[in-house]
This record gives sequence, C-alpha cells and structure tokens, in this order.
Amino acid sequence: QVQLQQWGAGLLKPSETLSLTCAVHGGSFSGYYWTWIRQSPGKGLEWIGEINHSGSTNYNPSVKSRVTISIDTANYQFSLKMTSVTAADTAVYFCARVHLYYNYGYEYWGQGTLVTVSS
Amino acid sequence: DIVLTQSPPSLPVTPGEPASISCRSSQSLLHTNGHNYLEWYLQKPGQSPHLLIYLGSNRASGVPDRFSGSGSGTDFTLRITTVEAEDIGIYYCMQALQTPFTFGPGTRVDFK
Repeated sequence: QVQLQQWGAGLLKPSETLSLTCAVHGGSFSGYYWTWIRQSPGKGLEWIGEINHSGSTNYNPSVKSRVTISIDTANYQFSLKMTSVTAADTAVYFCARVHLYYNYGYEYWGQGTLVTVSS
Repeated sequence: DIVLTQSPPSLPVTPGEPASISCRSSQSLLHTNGHNYLEWYLQKPGQSPHLLIYLGSNRASGVPDRFSGSGSGTDFTLRITTVEAEDIGIYYCMQALQTPFTFGPGTRVDFK
C-alpha cells in the first residue's frame, strides 16, 4: 500500500522560504510524476508542479520563478521550496502521485500541511 | 490555462436520491488518443481530495459503482445513482490534458 507522508514548517514570515518534504512509503519511485498541489480559500486547488524520478520538472507559470521541486531517490523523498512567500501563499499544501505515462489520476495524496504566512 | 467551471456551486441532496454535477471546460479535453483528460475528486472535511473518476469515465480503484462519469470535449457530468451519507463533501473536476493542470471551483454536496 502506497503512503505519502509530508512535513515542513507551518508558520512563515513574508519574504521567507517555504520548505516541504514528502516521503513515499511503498510502491515504486520510478514511473510516476511526484506533484505538489495547494489549496487556499481564495484560489481553491492549484497545481504547483511536478517532478519525475529522473529529475525532469514542470511548473505552474504562476509560481515558476519562485519554486523548485527536487527529488531524493535514495530516500524516496521529494521536496518543494518556494522563495519570497507572501500572505497569498497561505494554503494547505499536498503532495500527490500520478502515473508518468498514463493519466490514471492522483490516486495517492499526502495528508496536507497548513502553511501560514504572517508577520 | 484551461478554465473549468462547475454547476451547481451547491447541491442539497436527499439520501437515496440521485445527484449530478456538471463541469465545463474552456477548451476541449479530448486528446488525440481518444481519451478525455478529465478527472473527478471528492474532498471530505479535513481530508485530502480522493480520486473518483479518471479519463472522463473510468472509476478509480475501490470507488462504488453508484458513481459514474460521462461527457466529452468540453462538457462533463458526474452522476451518483443513489446518494449515501458518506458522499457528502466537495466535488472537484480537474483537467489533466495540459500543464498547468487546473481544477474547477468545486460543488458542495450536503443533505437538505
């Protein structure tokens, strides 16, 4: 059974860097896109970006200049870093998995991490 | 970006009765391979979204057969044949045709 467990700092000040990590338990690490999605009251669900096991990434242009998604295949983890956060980045952040070649949907999700940006 | 709209925004339901939700896309979600890249998710309070339907009409593993997805191109529908108590929550459609993938604003389903 696949489980995604995520963690990271939940309270940030404006201009700081958001850093979240998602650990993958069970299943293969290759053959999938590992994704970050966030949910805020104002903007709903927003796809942030994805990475595959080779390190190939795709980002949402709305955050691309501030976001880096990286992968640690040795430890079955992938991470999200977002620089220069503002109150608009306050959201629940989810990690999720989708098949690399077949659009079978996001079948597995992390539990979500609430990140609040406030001075 | 592809924009998805959902209707209704809120849907009061009665247990045992049918329900349906509409999702409309600003662009066709029909891929050249013949599949529609439209997914449906249910998010219950305090939980992560849960996949119900992928490629427009395919039920995800473990999803009860009272859920069905239909439609093609720009117009899609999620149907529940008989609503059960566990079906309460917010339903989202999502397009997976092109990045950035985008979600609809959601339809809140609750009991009357």
